[in-house]
Amino acid sequence: DGGITQSPKYLFRKEGQNVTLSCEQNLNHDAMYWYRQDPGQGLRLIYYSQIVNDFQKGDIAEGYSVSREKKESFPLTVTSAQKNPTAFYLCASSTPGQSLYEQYFGPGTRLTVT
Amino acid sequence: AQTVTQSQPEMSVQEAETVTLSCTYDTSESDYYLFWYKQPPSRQMILVIRQEAYKQQNATENRFSVNFQKAAKSFSLKISDSQLGDAAMYFCAYGRTSGTYKYIFGTGTRLKVLA
Repeated sequence: DGGITQSPKYLFRKEGQNVTLSCEQNLNHDAMYWYRQDPGQGLRLIYYSQIVNDFQKGDIAEGYSVSREKKESFPLTVTSAQKNPTAFYLCASSTPGQSLYEQYFGPGTRLTVT
Repeated sequence: AQTVTQSQPEMSVQEAETVTLSCTYDTSESDYYLFWYKQPPSRQMILVIRQEAYKQQNATENRFSVNFQKAAKSFSLKISDSQLGDAAMYFCAYGRTSGTYKYIFGTGTRLKVLA
C-alpha cells in the first residue's frame, strides 16, 4: 500500500542533543513537507521541498534542518538550537497538479525533550 | 501572504444534528484549493473535503458539504446527521496552485459530539 511512514511514533531526548525524525513516502510525490503542531496553534510549516536536492524554509525553520537526497525521503533534524522542541511533528507529501493538490500525511512523531 | 482563520476554537453538536464550522481566508490569488481535514484522537490527518476555487458549485461528500463564498473568502463546513465518530479537530487549509506549493492551515476547531 502506498503511504507515508514516520518513525518512531514517540521519541524522547535529553536537552542539548540533536535528534532526527524520519519521513518516507512511496507515493512518488515530488513535494514533501514538515509541520509542527502545538495545542491551539494548528499546523505550522517548518520546511518544505518541491524537488530532490532543494528545500525552502517555512515559517518556523529556526533550530531545524532537513535534507532531500532522495525523492522518497525527507528527514528532519531538530537541533539543540531549537528552544522549545517538544511537540508533535507531521510529515506530508503531495504532487502539484495530481490528486487535486491533496496533501497526504504520515501518522506523526511525538517528540519530548527533557 | 495568504492567511486562514478559524474563529471557533470549539463547537458542540448533538448526535444526529447538523453543525457548521467556519473558515475565512485571505488571498490575492484567483486560483487555489481549499480543504477541510479531520484529525481524530489518533492524530492522523484525514482529508474530509476539498474545493477548487474556480468551481462555483459547492463540494459535497456524503454527510459533509461546504459553503464556498469566493467573494467573501469564506469556506464553511457543514456536517449533517452528526455521528460520535465525527468528534475530532477540524482544520481548514488553503493550497496554492502555482509558484511555491505551500499549504496554510487554520488553528483548528475542536468538535464535540454529544450522545
